[in-house]
Formats: sequence, structure tokens, C-alpha cells
Amino acid sequence: DIQMTQSPSSLSASVGDRVTITCQASQDISNYLNWYQQKPGKAPNLLIYDASNLETGVPSRFSGSGSGTDFTFTISSLQPEDIATYYCQQFDNIPRTFGQGTKVEIK
Amino acid sequence: EVQLVESGGGLVQPGGSLRLSCAASGFTFSSYWMSWVRQAPGKGLEWVANIKVDGSEDYYVDSVKGRFSIFRDNAKNSLYLQMNSLRAEDTAVYYCARDGVWFKESSNYWGPGTLVTVSS
Repeated sequence: DIQMTQSPSSLSASVGDRVTITCQASQDISNYLNWYQQKPGKAPNLLIYDASNLETGVPSRFSGSGSGTDFTFTISSLQPEDIATYYCQQFDNIPRTFGQGTKVEIK
Repeated sequence: EVQLVESGGGLVQPGGSLRLSCAASGFTFSSYWMSWVRQAPGKGLEWVANIKVDGSEDYYVDSVKGRFSIFRDNAKNSLYLQMNSLRAEDTAVYYCARDGVWFKESSNYWGPGTLVTVSS
């Protein structure tokens, strides 16, 4: 199975800060990577697909980059409504593994 | 509007069985791969299984192989997960998700989930 190593596991930042989360795959997954946002008690919401494509309706402060094994997710200016847990997921191979998640809080 | 609604969760004893259903609407169900993803209480997301548009192919995470079966009824716009030989570690919220028309596409719509609790 492909292991997805996501870091950090949690972070605290101020409103307006730039926030960066990284995800490393245990083998080359090309650009078959998603980023999801999950708020407490809710289903995950797709933000970024194919590593860098913004899902329709998602604010432009969210972005993704990378290919191969190393990926980055960025919130350019953190907003109060961005408080959530963020997950990367590879969909190159079965099983479609997730990173362990990054909990984002407001400082 | 795309809608996915899971049902069938509940409390079941270890070794028991349960069938989850997912009712789909707002899109051409028979054109999309579908998945089940679960989340144990307080834990991260775990992909469980997916199924091809016509049901001819399905894939599973190792921990459920031989115990769980994913299937679909395109005439009823419904996805199912038959879960047998349930274990305490299967306790989770189970989400139904719509993938793309091709194998390597993202799950971009999710249902609200249904809770399965395996306990005596």
C-alpha cells in the first residue's frame, strides 16, 4: 500500500496568516492527489484535485502543488471559517490511502 | 443537485452482519464509479471499497476483504455495502461517495454518513 505522510498533525495560526501543509507519498503517484477539508460532524469536502486543480466553488485562497511524491497545500490567508481538519489522499493505487490529517486552529 | 444519503447503520454485535445503503439523486448514477469511506470515532479517514459503473469491477482495502461486499443497483440509483463478520474495529461513520466516470478520479460528492457500532 502507498503510505501518505502528512505534516504537521496540527497547527495554530492567526487570521490572515499563510498556512502550509505537506504530504509525502511512499512512491510516485504522479499528480493523483486530492486535498479535503473536514469540519466536525460533517463529511469531507473536496478542495483540490489532481494535486493543483481547485474544485468548483472553492475560494481561491486554497491552492495545491507538487507531483511525484511531494505535495503542498496552502491557505494564503487563513480565515475563521477555515478551522477544520485537512486530509491528503492518493488515488493512483488501490487502496486509496489518506494522510493522517492536519487539524488547523486559530491562535 | 447531487445528493447521496446513507442508511442502514446501527448497533450490531461482533460477528454480526449489516447492510448499508446509499440513495443517489441529481446525477446519472450509472455513469459514475462509487466508493465507501469510513471514519472511526476521533480518527482519520479510511477508504473501504469502490465499484465500477456497471458493477463489473470492485476493489477493497485489505482489512475488509472477504468480509465486506460492495454492489450497486443502477435501476434503483442505489449503492450498497454488505458487511459480514463485523469486528469492534469496524465501528465508524460510513460515507458513500461519488467518484468520476473513470477509475482514477476524485470523490467529489459525499453523503452525510451513517454510524455503525459493533459492540456486545
